[in-house]
Amino acid sequence: NAGVTQTPKFQVLKTGQSMTLQCAQDMNHNSMYWYRQDPGMGLRLIYYSASEGTTDKGEVPNGYNVSRLNKREFSLRLESAAPSQTSVYFCASSTGGEQFFGPGTRLTVL
Amino acid sequence: QQPVQSPQAVILREGEDAVINCSSSKALYSVHWYRQKHGEAPVFLMILLKGGEQKGHEKISASFNEKKQQSSLYLTASQLSYSGTYFCGTGHLYSGAGSYQLTFGKGTKLSVIP
Repeated sequence: NAGVTQTPKFQVLKTGQSMTLQCAQDMNHNSMYWYRQDPGMGLRLIYYSASEGTTDKGEVPNGYNVSRLNKREFSLRLESAAPSQTSVYFCASSTGGEQFFGPGTRLTVL
Repeated sequence: QQPVQSPQAVILREGEDAVINCSSSKALYSVHWYRQKHGEAPVFLMILLKGGEQKGHEKISASFNEKKQQSSLYLTASQLSYSGTYFCGTGHLYSGAGSYQLTFGKGTKLSVIP
């Protein structure tokens, strides 16, 4: 089992560019999440999907959109990247109390 | 609203004990603890549900006091491998989905030195 995988691992964008971060899990989990982690801020929830076909905003959704493509995949899109979106992005999945995290995507917006 | 963790950082020598606290201004339904090593993803340690239970895993245990809206993580006889940043997350259960939406604290950096 690969667990939770994320692509890409690193990305550099210019202000205004768009991109999609991909996440997939092979544990048959219902729920999936996108977090961002900034120094000294902990993990902040961007969007989540409690089950296939549903998505909801988390704490910091502005500037992002998500798609729950199927039970395995949950993507995060930045339509017009801004320097404030420079961060490490983690995807996670769960079917109970424990959340399993992917390795993260380090995004820099210049 | 983010739970508040204390201390922000702590340095221990191998074999020493530590306590990390997590408090919330909102009623707690569950508290989740994670550890993250530098450059890696967070890893689940344990979950505590309302009812004041205490859980443990080897030399790491935790308590949950729902009346005080607080949880504490206890690390005893610390090892070098305990180094990392510890996060508490306060959880609310999605009805029907069986999973939790978490709000994480800012973390406590624990360094264990020989």
